[in-house]
Amino acid sequence: GAGVSQSPRYKVAKRGQDVALRCDPISGHVSLFWYQQALGQGPEFLTYFQNEAQLDKSGLPSDRFFAERPEGSVSTLKIQRTQQEDSAVYLCASSVRDRGEYSNQPQHFGDGTRLSIL
Amino acid sequence: AQSVTQLDSHVSVSEGTPVLLRCNYSSSYSPSLFWYVQHPNKGLQLLLKYTSAATLVKGINGFEAEFKKSETSFHLTKPSAHMSDAAEYFCVVSDPGKDTGNQFYFGTGTSLTVIP
Repeated sequence: GAGVSQSPRYKVAKRGQDVALRCDPISGHVSLFWYQQALGQGPEFLTYFQNEAQLDKSGLPSDRFFAERPEGSVSTLKIQRTQQEDSAVYLCASSVRDRGEYSNQPQHFGDGTRLSIL
Repeated sequence: AQSVTQLDSHVSVSEGTPVLLRCNYSSSYSPSLFWYVQHPNKGLQLLLKYTSAATLVKGINGFEAEFKKSETSFHLTKPSAHMSDAAEYFCVVSDPGKDTGNQFYFGTGTSLTVIP
C-alpha cells in the first residue's frame, strides 16, 4: 500500500517484558516521527529521524525507550522492561522534506499500535 | 514555545447543521497549522493545512478553516454536518526547525458527535 504501515496493530505484554513496534513509512519520505497517544489525549512527540539519523529524542520518557532506523526506511520503537504506564497507542508518521533547511510539510500517519501492559 | 488549545472537548450537532470546532495557538514563529481527524482505532487523516498562503483554507470533505493572526485562532468549520463526520478532531501547530524536522504539537482533541 501507499500509506504508513505499522505492526502489530495490537500488542499485549506482561509487565517487565520487552516489546518492539515496527513502522514502515511511505517510500521516499525522509522524515519519520514517533508519537505516544494516551487514552483520551492528543499524540505526544517521542522522537524524530531524518533518514537514518535520530536528530531529536527529547520526547522519549525514559531510557527504557529506544528507537532506530538503521537504513533510513523502516523504523523500530523498542520498549524494555515495560510498565503499566507504557500502555498507549504508538503512532508513526512520515513526511517529505522541503528543499530548504526548514520543513512544514504535513505528516502522514499510520493506524498505530495499541500496546496494553498487564 | 508552541502550543495549541482546543476550547471544547466535546461538540454535539444535528445532522445538516453547521460545525464549529475552536482552536487557539501559541507560537514564537510564523506558524504552520493543521487539522487532523481520527476515526476510532484509526490513524490521523489530514483535513487541511495553513502555511502562510491564503488565510482561508479549504480542506477535504467540505471542511475549511480561517487563520486569524490577531486572534491567534484557527477554527474549523463545515456548513452542514454529516453522520460520517463523527470523530475526534485535532488541531496541530508545527515547529519547522532544522533539527526537529516538522515537530507537531497537538491539542487535546475535540470529539464531534452528529445527531441524526
